[in-house]
Amino acid sequence: DAKTTQPTSMDCAEGRAANLPCNHSTISGNEYVYWYRQIHSQGPQYIIHGLKNNETNEMASLIITEDRKSSTLILPHATLRDTAVYYCIAPEFYNQGGKLIFGQGTELSVKP
Amino acid sequence: GAGVSQSPRYKVAKRGQDVALRCDPISGHVSLFWYQQALGQGPEFLTYFQNEAQLDKSGLPSDRFFAERPEGSVSTLKIQRTQQEDSAVYLCASSPPPGGQGYSPLHFGNGTRLTVT
Repeated sequence: DAKTTQPTSMDCAEGRAANLPCNHSTISGNEYVYWYRQIHSQGPQYIIHGLKNNETNEMASLIITEDRKSSTLILPHATLRDTAVYYCIAPEFYNQGGKLIFGQGTELSVKP
Repeated sequence: GAGVSQSPRYKVAKRGQDVALRCDPISGHVSLFWYQQALGQGPEFLTYFQNEAQLDKSGLPSDRFFAERPEGSVSTLKIQRTQQEDSAVYLCASSPPPGGQGYSPLHFGNGTRLTVT
């Protein structure tokens, strides 16, 4: 079962910041949180991951609460091309592989 | 650069037919995963390979599903005697050897959409 919970859907105005929340109160102290997104008719795309520090890359920022029970993915200036389903995942690690258990994700609609 | 390639992009099969779905991972990627995605749902894990070894097949829904990766590169997912409930998008993903954090993100292909009539 997925270890994370997310809202089913969200809207965001084009050019504004999109803040996507994720609850992961049951993950352990050494489990990373990963974010992927899936644009319609495409495979999932990796966005960012983090453990306990905030992270930023060219796509997004990830803010993780100090107690690690929740996190927020931030798209600073959302565009129409950011419309997608966003998945927050805590992978299972084993045998040098990462088994992703996807939940339902958050369907983000960026509107003009 | 080249990403994960899956073929065919679309496949229509009559119930009872056998199908074979191909995945070409990114060169040098040792880990390979297959996922099944039903309409409106998140992808569900089917099986995992490390090189040619199938280390986890716990997600395969029945013994009609079989996956192989004989030379540690290209992988084939085979479904025998297809049923309507097998209709879904089948996604393949690969990843390189783990990095400093012990895990490398997965690179997904765009999937094969299987429709069983």
